[in-house]
Amino acid sequence: EAGVAQSPRYKIIEKRQSVAFWCNPISGHATLYWYQQILGQGPKLLIQFQNNGVVDDSQLPKDRFSAERLKGVDSTLKIQPAKLEDSAVYLCASSLTTISYEQYFGPGTRLTVT
Amino acid sequence: AQSVTQPDIHITVSEGASLELRCNYSYGATPYLFWYVQSPGQGLQLLLKYFSGDTLVQGIKGFEAEFKRSQSSFNLRKPSVHWSDAAEYFCVHLATSGTYKYIFGTGTRLKVLA
Repeated sequence: EAGVAQSPRYKIIEKRQSVAFWCNPISGHATLYWYQQILGQGPKLLIQFQNNGVVDDSQLPKDRFSAERLKGVDSTLKIQPAKLEDSAVYLCASSLTTISYEQYFGPGTRLTVT
Repeated sequence: AQSVTQPDIHITVSEGASLELRCNYSYGATPYLFWYVQSPGQGLQLLLKYFSGDTLVQGIKGFEAEFKRSQSSFNLRKPSVHWSDAAEYFCVHLATSGTYKYIFGTGTRLKVLA
């Protein structure tokens, strides 16, 4: 079974530029999560989707971050404009449903904002 | 709010020595607990999980963890550490009020001396 796929793996941008990350979850997984992991910290949930609907985006900085999952499969997370403090690893995870015990993580995208 | 505490930010052990990483979760929370490992540049890999039953759980790579409800703890152990175990370890609690969510500890970075 293929795991969660993410691209790109690494991205370096200047502040005020925009960037987008892509995630393809495990086939059949209805729930998709985006996490932000700042160096030295545990991952923090940014947004959770159930199919193509948002379940929880309470921690998403909506003035600059946006995410979509239009067809209920793959998802895109965008930052515009980026700030220095957005430098982090962005992890995507998926699970069968919103009440699944286990989440499966992708390799992450390491973003450096200079 | 439910929380997970990993008291040790950094731990250094010699190769072949035993290891114990500490984890405490919010008292009274449902004990759905995980340990994940994150090697440099890698995603999160599940080591083991506890939902119910035998309080000593075995995981991959020779790791085990013991759930102690009276101490609200879920400590990770390994009898003999290998150099390849150097990584960051996260204790995770699954919060089950509403949609299920992972609550991450801050992580413990393990360094292994040759």
